[in-house]
Amino acid sequence: DAGVIQSPRHEVTEMGQEVTLRCKPISGHNSLFWYRQTMMRGLELLIYFNNNVPIDDSGMPEDRFSAKMPNASFSTLKIQPSEPRDSAVYFCASSFGGGGGNTIYFGEGSWLTVV
Amino acid sequence: AQSVTQLDSQVPVFEEAPVELRCNYSSSVSVYLFWYVQYPNQGLQLLLKYLSGSTLVESINGFEAEFNKSQTSFHLRKPSVHISDTAEYFCAVSYNDYKLSFGAGTTVTVRA
Repeated sequence: DAGVIQSPRHEVTEMGQEVTLRCKPISGHNSLFWYRQTMMRGLELLIYFNNNVPIDDSGMPEDRFSAKMPNASFSTLKIQPSEPRDSAVYFCASSFGGGGGNTIYFGEGSWLTVV
Repeated sequence: AQSVTQLDSQVPVFEEAPVELRCNYSSSVSVYLFWYVQYPNQGLQLLLKYLSGSTLVESINGFEAEFNKSQTSFHLRKPSVHISDTAEYFCAVSYNDYKLSFGAGTTVTVRA
């Protein structure tokens, strides 16, 4: 079975440019997460969707970040405008159910460098 | 707030030696506990998890972890490591919702 699919795997962009990260969750999963990983802050939950609805976006750093989930098989995380401090690995993850014991499956990440 | 403490940031170990990665969490209420592994340049993969029942849980590749409620710990062990176990290991905890709190990670480097 295909896992969580993310694109692009790597992106280098200039400060001020718009960045769009894409995610296809595992088919049948109804919960989707966007995480950010940095050396300084570790793994942070940015936003959580359940049944395509944003439930918790308290981790989104600021208004430059936005996320959408137009249907059950696709989500985007957009940064506009991008800044060098946004450089990080962004993981999309999905699970079946939003309860505490569910296994969350991670994609391979989008490695973003903003110069 | 939930918190997870991984006591060791770096663990160097020789091949075929045992390894223990320590993890403590902040609350004594009912929890779900996880260990995830991240190989270089990859995403996180579930290694094992504790939901309820037996306090000792095992993975398919020889790792085991023991839930200790009184000590609020969930340490990960492997009796004999391989070079391929070189990775970063994350302990995580969740309660009765979707939020998964991760520790800072422990980098295991296995040397021949």
